[in-house]
Amino acid sequence: EAAVTQSPRSKVAVTGGKVTLSCHQTNNHDYMYWYRQDTGHGLRLIHYSYVADSTEKGDIPDGYKASRPSQENFSLILELASLSQTAVYFCASRGGCAETLYFGSGTRLTVL
Amino acid sequence: GDQVEQSPSALSLHEGTDSALRCNFTTTMRSVQWFRQNSRGSLISLFYLASGTKENGRLKSAFDSKERRYSTLHIRDAQLEDSGTYFCAAEVQGTGSKLSFGKGAKLTVSP
Repeated sequence: EAAVTQSPRSKVAVTGGKVTLSCHQTNNHDYMYWYRQDTGHGLRLIHYSYVADSTEKGDIPDGYKASRPSQENFSLILELASLSQTAVYFCASRGGCAETLYFGSGTRLTVL
Repeated sequence: GDQVEQSPSALSLHEGTDSALRCNFTTTMRSVQWFRQNSRGSLISLFYLASGTKENGRLKSAFDSKERRYSTLHIRDAQLEDSGTYFCAAEVQGTGSKLSFGKGAKLTVSP
């Protein structure tokens, strides 16, 4: 079973502060994704990456940056956190286009 | 706009009954995956389909191979542990592996 580890599990941030969410996978997967989940919206794609040192914008990239410094690590960065970014964030990975997506346990972010 | 539309958004079943969830796509999709999210928030993969049907125990999923515009998830003989929120995620052809999710279907199974 693929392992995707997210940190922290939860975080409280102040408006205007910088937040970094981290994701690490040990399965040699090329593709990694960041989603946010809000009640009534399901999961929405923020950024994704299919190779180290390269990221792609998803459906809702505004206010977020992503970084893929290595195949194993994929970070989501909120330079200036806002109240509207309070949500649960999920990282996921998969080996290729035709493969199953595996999720981390999620990070609950609260911006005050 | 949303490319993946799930229905129903919520469903209540009694144990032992059958039901089906559906995802409609506004464009042709390359593949579809189905997930269940449990009460702790964990997302578990149920099926990946590029075409045809797959079955696992009491769950069966199908992906319209001709038009590639919808997918279904059938639940047979529903059990209490089937309760949760079910999501489908689809990959648009030619988008470089971008996966978009539906808004989910909350299933409650009662005795």
